[in-house]
Amino acid sequence: KNQVEQSPQSLIILEGKNCTLQCNYTVSPFSNLRWYKQDTGRGPVSLTIMTFSENTKSNGRYTATLDADTKQSSLHITASQLSDSASYICVVSPNTGNQFYFGTGTSLTVIP
Amino acid sequence: DTGVSQDPRHKITKRGQNVTFRCDPISEHNRLYWYRQTLGQGPEFLTYFQNEAQLEKSRLLSDRFSAERPKGSFSTLEIQRTEQGDSAMYLCASSLDPGNYGYTFGSGTRLTVV
Repeated sequence: KNQVEQSPQSLIILEGKNCTLQCNYTVSPFSNLRWYKQDTGRGPVSLTIMTFSENTKSNGRYTATLDADTKQSSLHITASQLSDSASYICVVSPNTGNQFYFGTGTSLTVIP
Repeated sequence: DTGVSQDPRHKITKRGQNVTFRCDPISEHNRLYWYRQTLGQGPEFLTYFQNEAQLEKSRLLSDRFSAERPKGSFSTLEIQRTEQGDSAMYLCASSLDPGNYGYTFGSGTRLTVV
């Protein structure tokens, strides 16, 4: 069964601190993995997209890693800001079919 | 191009009424998806279009739900005889080549059935 699991479910950190979010998946055959940021009441916004051959990709203070062998990905946020407070969703696409699979997200709260 | 647009942003309706949502994808994107998201949950797949053809429908899409993309551009999602359980965020996404370029989501339509 194709599944995407994220941890932790929620996280509270102090402004300026770093944090790492995890995504484990069983989707196969694998095509790509995306991290999205979703503010409350808004649609998801893409942060990074990684294919099978990519191990790491950065977008500003966001760095995503991918280990396709262990089927794990992480999203590292550096020097967190209050505006980073949101849900972070991992989305995995197989290279067959038309669906993509969402994790349930990590709710991040950055406090001053 | 301003991305994927969804209209309305919010909709409050009485139980039993019909509602229709609209999604305008990025103009060159031939693939369009509808997802439903309830509070605290990840989005759930509803249906997928490639151009005007509806190629896949989830079992979640009961006979009260219907989606169209008549000219392969904008899409509508209609819910007939709404129920309180239909209250959710309805997300639309579009893509040209998801393997390389990913998906772009709209801001969603928040439906509240009272």
